[in-house]
Amino acid sequence: AQSVAQPEDQVNVAEGNPLTVKCTYSVSGNPYLFWYVQYPNRGLQFLLKYITGDNLVKGSYGFEAEFNKSQTSFHLKKPSALVSDSALYFCAVRDKGNQGGKLIFGQGTELSVKP
Amino acid sequence: DSGVTQTPKHLITATGQRVTLRCSPRSGDLSVYWYQQSLDQGLQFLIQYYNGEERAKGNILERFSAQQFPDLHSELNLSSLELGDSALYFCASSVQLGGGNTGELFFGEGSRLTVL
Repeated sequence: AQSVAQPEDQVNVAEGNPLTVKCTYSVSGNPYLFWYVQYPNRGLQFLLKYITGDNLVKGSYGFEAEFNKSQTSFHLKKPSALVSDSALYFCAVRDKGNQGGKLIFGQGTELSVKP
Repeated sequence: DSGVTQTPKHLITATGQRVTLRCSPRSGDLSVYWYQQSLDQGLQFLIQYYNGEERAKGNILERFSAQQFPDLHSELNLSSLELGDSALYFCASSVQLGGGNTGELFFGEGSRLTVL
């Protein structure tokens, strides 16, 4: 079965510092990986995805993610955190095992950026 | 704005009751997915429809059902409600079907259900 894991429930970062939100995956074959962000009382917003090609993927709001096949990881990064980045972040993998192609989500990581 | 519309945004009801949540996908999207988000279970996939047909089923209770209509909007019906059904219910849509779909899902703002 395909899955993703987000090992940290919460990440705390000072504004201006780099941030990393971790994600590891378990997939047979080549994975399709996604990052979403959820602000309070809002829906999930798409940030970026990895399908194939360059291991460093750039997305919205200055975020990027690095795909590492040997470590089965897809960590989300940003060089300089903003207080407004504080939100809940979800890593997801596409389920290629059925017709539906649903996304399977990790448990989420709460990012807190302090001034 | 993702283009996916969900109504109602908030719903408060009593145990044993029945509610219907509605979703209008993005224009042109044929696939609709329903997810449940709760504090203890995270984001759980419930069910998916493609062009009116059920295509994938997840952790959906027998008390819950869904359908997709010819105009592609979808409804999630929750019956015999229990306290534990209190959650955020999200609808998402995408253009394509299938595991090989490289596209992302677009999520609505959700319907917050509170069962008292």
